[in-house]
Amino acid sequence: DGGITQSPKYLFRKEGQNVTLSCEQNLNHDAMYWYRQDPGQGLRLIYYSQIVNDFQKGDIAEGYSVSREKKESFPLTVTSAQKNPTAFYLCASSDTGSGHQPQHFGDGTRLSIL
Amino acid sequence: GEDVEQSLFLSVREGDSSVINCTYTDSSSTYLYWYKQEPGAGLQLLTYIFSNMDMKQDQRLTVLLNKKDKHLSLRIADTQTGDSAIYFCAERGSSASKIIFGSGTRLSIRP
Repeated sequence: DGGITQSPKYLFRKEGQNVTLSCEQNLNHDAMYWYRQDPGQGLRLIYYSQIVNDFQKGDIAEGYSVSREKKESFPLTVTSAQKNPTAFYLCASSDTGSGHQPQHFGDGTRLSIL
Repeated sequence: GEDVEQSLFLSVREGDSSVINCTYTDSSSTYLYWYKQEPGAGLQLLTYIFSNMDMKQDQRLTVLLNKKDKHLSLRIADTQTGDSAIYFCAERGSSASKIIFGSGTRLSIRP
């Protein structure tokens, strides 16, 4: 079945450590997105990419980095510069263009601080 | 900037209808979406409406769009315990590359 796979489901980070969250899709979508979800705050866009080897900052990019070397993959690194990384992270993908292009979501990764 | 607002909580009795409301600010919105999120999971697309439509019905779901007031609603008929979740309103606006999400409405069902 086509879909989006995020791993791991749970992740723990030590102080000063970088961690990388994986997101893989087999929907042949050009665009991919990373969101952060905190209780009562909805989804906030971290980074997005509309094509391989290109990505743009979202609303809260500080302390995060991404790469888009392959169409299927859009990993997110939470760096030590992100002082409050505890949150639920969601990856999504979509087709591009001006038509009806809903975003399809993975099941998320919950990141906590040790 | 673009903004989407929803109330945070809604409680309804099992079997009644639920109505979740949403307002948005971007007058150039093209598509508006409703997503459902169950605990510990990602968002699942429930339904969507194109901005030139007033209403869309899909089984127990009815979406109403008042473009003049920039108001969107989702009605769930015969609400069941399995409908307990967070419901997100979202709009695709003038920047077609992004979707703006509301903060979500937590729907709880009482017996």
